[in-house]
Amino acid sequence: DGGITQSPKYLFRKEGQNVTLSCEQNLNHDAMYWYRQDPGQGLRLIYYSQIVNDFQKGDIAEGYSVSREKKESFPLTVTSAQKNPTAFYLCASSPLRGLAGGPRNEQFFGPGTRLTVL
Amino acid sequence: DAKTTQPPSMDCAEGRAANLPCNHSTISGNEYVYWYRQIHSQGPQYIIHGLKNNETNEMASLIITEDRKSSTLILPHATLRDTAVYYCIVSGTGTASKLTFGTGTRLQVTL
Repeated sequence: DGGITQSPKYLFRKEGQNVTLSCEQNLNHDAMYWYRQDPGQGLRLIYYSQIVNDFQKGDIAEGYSVSREKKESFPLTVTSAQKNPTAFYLCASSPLRGLAGGPRNEQFFGPGTRLTVL
Repeated sequence: DAKTTQPPSMDCAEGRAANLPCNHSTISGNEYVYWYRQIHSQGPQYIIHGLKNNETNEMASLIITEDRKSSTLILPHATLRDTAVYYCIVSGTGTASKLTFGTGTRLQVTL
């Protein structure tokens, strides 16, 4: 089955440690995204990538880093510089163009990783 | 991208139609209306999108007013599994356009 996988589902880290969240997709999508969600809030965009070896900052990129060495993978590192890292992290992917060349903003989301920093 | 306004919560009886409104009065001509939903502790799920014509798929119908300043998502026969937070999003046509998720409408389907 095609889809997006994120691992692990729950992650605990000590304050001051960097941690990397995994995101893999086998949908052959060009674009991938990372969002953060805090309790009772909507999603906020951290980083996104339209193509391999290229990525752009979203609305809350400070304290985070990403890489896109392969089309299928878009790992997110939460660094010690992120002041409040405890949150629910969601990865998504989307095709860039529809069949008729129109916009394709239908993003497909993974199950999420709940990060708790102690 | 234009901002959207949704009621914070709604209730619906199982088997009845759920009509979720969304205001997007500042929408521009090339912006689409997207609907997603998020069941508790899961990733959001795409439902439907439209530009100016009404749209229907296996999950829902989307009704967009003629002036495009508001829209309604219709779940024709709500079930308990439709209990979720529903997000209305307006997004442009750029490549990999960013989706801005507000706080959405929490729909509670009851017996």
